[in-house]
Amino acid sequence: AQSVTQLGSHVSVSEGALVLLRCNYSSSVPPYLFWYVQYPNQGLQLLLKYTSAATLVKGINGFEAEFKKSETSFHLTKPSAHMSDAAEYFCAVRPSGGYNKLIFGAGTRLAVHP
Amino acid sequence: EAGVAQSPRYKIIEKRQSVAFWCNPISGHATLYWYQQILGQGPKLLIQFQNNGVVDDSQLPKDRFSAERLKGVDSTLKIQPAKLEDSAVYLCASSSETSGGTGELFFGEGSRLTVL
Repeated sequence: AQSVTQLGSHVSVSEGALVLLRCNYSSSVPPYLFWYVQYPNQGLQLLLKYTSAATLVKGINGFEAEFKKSETSFHLTKPSAHMSDAAEYFCAVRPSGGYNKLIFGAGTRLAVHP
Repeated sequence: EAGVAQSPRYKIIEKRQSVAFWCNPISGHATLYWYQQILGQGPKLLIQFQNNGVVDDSQLPKDRFSAERLKGVDSTLKIQPAKLEDSAVYLCASSSETSGGTGELFFGEGSRLTVL
């Protein structure tokens, strides 16, 4: 079964520093991959998605992610962290074939300190 | 465009009691999902509807959980009787895509259940 693994349940960065959140997927065929963000007491909001077009995907709020088939990775990055980026981030995969649904990783909580 | 609406936002009950959550998806979205998000974990799919039919309920604990989507619009998720381990946020999501889509789901703010 297809799945995603997020390395690091907690990541802490300084304001202005690089943000790197790691996600690896398991799939025998190139999947569709997503990053969602969840702010406290809110639902999930789509940051970006990879759907087999460009391997470098740009999303909202300055985030981007690169699909690397050789590494089965889809890491999320942002060059300069802002205090407002503090949230929980989820990587997700859409299993190939069948009905449209998402399988989520366990999440990474990002803390940004001054 | 109105988003996915859920109610109640918060609910506290004692174990063995029952509870129901309501979801109204984005207008025109054929597919509706209920996810369970336990603290510290990612969302887990409980049930997926396409219009008013169930297409995936493989992870729904059917001895205590039930869900329906009458008329193919809004949906209700019920838990009876509740257990302590049911404490979680219940997220409703909807999508305009059925099969073959790219997977984008739109989420509501969730209903937080605490079972004492």
